[in-house]
Amino acid sequence: GDSVTQMEGPVTLSEEACLTINCTYTATGYPSLFWYVQYPGEGLQLLLKATKADDKGSNKGFEATYRKETTSFHLEKGSVQVSDSAVYFCALRRSGGSNYKLTFGKGTLLTVNP
Amino acid sequence: EPEVTQTPSHQVTQMGQEVILRCVPISNHLYFYWYRQILGQKVEFLVSFYNNEISEKSEIFDDQFSVERPDGSNFTLKIRSTKLEDSAMYFCASSPTSRVSNQPQHFGDGTRLSIL
Repeated sequence: GDSVTQMEGPVTLSEEACLTINCTYTATGYPSLFWYVQYPGEGLQLLLKATKADDKGSNKGFEATYRKETTSFHLEKGSVQVSDSAVYFCALRRSGGSNYKLTFGKGTLLTVNP
Repeated sequence: EPEVTQTPSHQVTQMGQEVILRCVPISNHLYFYWYRQILGQKVEFLVSFYNNEISEKSEIFDDQFSVERPDGSNFTLKIRSTKLEDSAMYFCASSPTSRVSNQPQHFGDGTRLSIL
């Protein structure tokens, strides 16, 4: 079945440090890929998405590129802020058929210190 | 920006009792979902709902669970006889269509269910 594997956390960084959270997936066909973010006490918010190979999703300084050859969708940011502290979830959604559910990774807790 | 709203934010229930979790999806959305997140674990799919019927459900969604869209705006998840292991955060989500896999699902803030 479909699965998403994320880098184990927690990740602790200082403000302005570079961030990479690794995400790899297993799925048949060409899934769409998403990063969701969960701020403390809140629900899941879509951060960015990519729907086909070599697409780059970006939002709020975060980027992720859909790499079909390595089945990866790593999340990156060049300079993190304290306000980026949250749990980040990588997810996929299979294309075609009736399988429209999201399959999530375990989440990575990011803490950014001033 | 329209959002998915869930009530209550926290529900405490005795084991064996029935509980109903409520959600108001975004008004022009057609597909509705429930997910749950046990503390410290991944977000897991429970069920999807379209055109007044379940379109997909996971193995977690057994006979104890049911969903309903009683009045065209609310979308509810009922757990008939709660167990300790049902304690989790339950998220409702909706999407405008589901026929296109890149449509994002919009999530509510969740209901934390605590079973005593």
